[in-house]
Amino acid sequence: NAGVMQNPRHLVRRRGQEARLRCSPMKGHSHVYWYRQLPEEGLKFMVYLQKENIIDESGMPKERFSAEFPKEGPSILRIQQVVRGDSAAYFCASSRLADTPPYNEQFFGPGTRLTVL
Amino acid sequence: AQSVSQHNHHVILSEAASLELGCNYSYGGTVNLFWYVQYPGQHLQLLLKYFSGDPLVKGIKGFEAEFIKSKFSFNLRKPSVQWSDTAEYFCAVNLKAAGNKLTFGGGTRVLVKP
Repeated sequence: NAGVMQNPRHLVRRRGQEARLRCSPMKGHSHVYWYRQLPEEGLKFMVYLQKENIIDESGMPKERFSAEFPKEGPSILRIQQVVRGDSAAYFCASSRLADTPPYNEQFFGPGTRLTVL
Repeated sequence: AQSVSQHNHHVILSEAASLELGCNYSYGGTVNLFWYVQYPGQHLQLLLKYFSGDPLVKGIKGFEAEFIKSKFSFNLRKPSVQWSDTAEYFCAVNLKAAGNKLTFGGGTRVLVKP
């Protein structure tokens, strides 16, 4: 049973370009979470999605960032017009349910390291 | 605001020494508590978790943690570390009333010298 998959593992963008990060949850998981880890900091929650629905985006920056989890295909975190401060590791996690331990345990992917030149 | 604090940013110790990493949180409601480990070049792995019941939780690789509700703490311990325990350790808290998002501490980098 494959774990959470993220691609690309490394992404380099120039300022002003767009970055698209993909996350495929574990089989049987319908909830996806995105976290960002800035250098020398812990992970910070960004957004939580179910299929075709954003449940909680309280951690998302107000501008340039968006996320989706379509009915078919992976979840996408999209960053428009990237700036140097967006350089970070972006981790995706998935869970089977959201509110029933232990089924709400989150399993993490390997992360995408975004570097903005 | 919700917060999770890990007391030490860096810990250096020798093999066979005992390890204790502190974690405190600032929530007053029902919480689920987690410790994750990130080995060099690898992704986050769950070490142990607390949902309810016995406050002394045993995890993988000989780690354990104790939930002390009155102190809002969930410290991680290992009686005798090995070189392979060199990693970064993250405490995380899920406040039940806030949905399923995790709030992480800043992490503690542990270096075990052979």
